[in-house]
Amino acid sequence: SQQGEEDPQALSIQEGENATMNCSYKTSINNLQWYRQNSGRGLVHLILIRSNEREKHSGRLRVTLDTSKKSSSLLITASRAADTASYFCATAVSYGNNRLAFGKGNQVVVIP
Amino acid sequence: NAGVMQNPRHLVRRRGQEARLRCSPMKGHSHVYWYRQLPEEGLKFMVYLQKENIIDESGMPKERFSAEFPKEGPSILRIQQVVRGDSAAYFCASSLGQSYSNQPQHFGDGTRLSIL
Repeated sequence: SQQGEEDPQALSIQEGENATMNCSYKTSINNLQWYRQNSGRGLVHLILIRSNEREKHSGRLRVTLDTSKKSSSLLITASRAADTASYFCATAVSYGNNRLAFGKGNQVVVIP
Repeated sequence: NAGVMQNPRHLVRRRGQEARLRCSPMKGHSHVYWYRQLPEEGLKFMVYLQKENIIDESGMPKERFSAEFPKEGPSILRIQQVVRGDSAAYFCASSLGQSYSNQPQHFGDGTRLSIL
């Protein structure tokens, strides 16, 4: 899991398998976003889920949000070697604060 | 349609020197954010700017660090009298609107600052 005091998670899977990673947060949020970071590069926005949404899909990505547990999960189906990256969740809190609060990330390695 | 452009990609400075990091947001974006990333960690918010205004600098160290986003030209993050602890990757992001209005932030590839 990300955020809080947890250590970053590392996941190693075979190509074609599904990858699931989790994220937890502490405050009320307006939305939660997932980003991917390849080594040495910037972050690429993957998907945004609003606080009143429970599940969202985008291509091979599926995101869930449980505001009662303050947690989210990202599922990547049918993983590819190109999915190897670090994945970060970030929360945008409610009105008055525009910053994104990032977790420490999940490192995913997809073995061809 | 160019994305967020940051330069330089790599910057080496000696202790006590000044570092200037530049960021050009995506076309049409008027909201700029700076983040710092230490190895194996997530990004930490530093400052949020709109054209000619600092909106939120609560994540920025009180001394030696400053940021601006002038009417013309890129946003600049300036670090004076750098110390070894300033070594990190600095990322700039821009957005069309504010994060809580459900607008995603788009990131540049960062400037990796190394202090000798």
